[in-house]
Amino acid sequence: DVKVTQSSRYLVKRTGEKVFLECVQDMDHENMFWYRQDPGLGLRLIYFSYDVKMKEKGDIPEGYSVSREKKERFSLILESASTNQTSMYLCASSSPRVTDTQYFGPGTRLTVL
Amino acid sequence: DQQVKQNSPSLSVQEGRISILNCDYTNSMFDYFLWYKKYPAEGPTFLISISSIKDKNEDGRFTVFLNKSAKHLSLHIVPSQPGDSAVYFCAGHQGAQKLVFGQGTRLTINP
Repeated sequence: DVKVTQSSRYLVKRTGEKVFLECVQDMDHENMFWYRQDPGLGLRLIYFSYDVKMKEKGDIPEGYSVSREKKERFSLILESASTNQTSMYLCASSSPRVTDTQYFGPGTRLTVL
Repeated sequence: DQQVKQNSPSLSVQEGRISILNCDYTNSMFDYFLWYKKYPAEGPTFLISISSIKDKNEDGRFTVFLNKSAKHLSLHIVPSQPGDSAVYFCAGHQGAQKLVFGQGTRLTINP
């Protein structure tokens, strides 16, 4: 079974703080993704990565950065958190060697005060 | 530009009846489509997919239909069960391993 884990289920931060969200997958998947889910907007892609050290902007990258130093780990960074970044953050992984189906972690509910 | 649209935010169905969730898309380059199911406080889980060269795919109680000319797909759940109550997302695969998701439809199965 594919397992994708995220470092925190719930997180509360203050405006202006630097926030790190960590994601780890155990299936040797090449691809990893960060989404945010907001009511009425579905899942929107923030950043994705095809391989170690590689990153690509998704549809809403502004205010975010990512890091992928190891194949199994993909980090999302909010350099200076703002209230409009309050959301559910979902990490996913996939492998083109098997199927492009993405497997999701449980999500991190981030609240920025 | 919303490439994938789920126009019904919610749907309520009686247990045992058929649930039909709809999805429209605008991008003709999608090569296959997926449905995901999401429970509260959990990540989405893959449910069923369909290639753009097919018009139907079935897996147990779940069937997905694709009408390419209308750029429309639907997910049928028969019979509906209480455990099917969740938010359902459809997604189009546009190459480069990227998915484009719809807004989601909250399905409630009533006993």
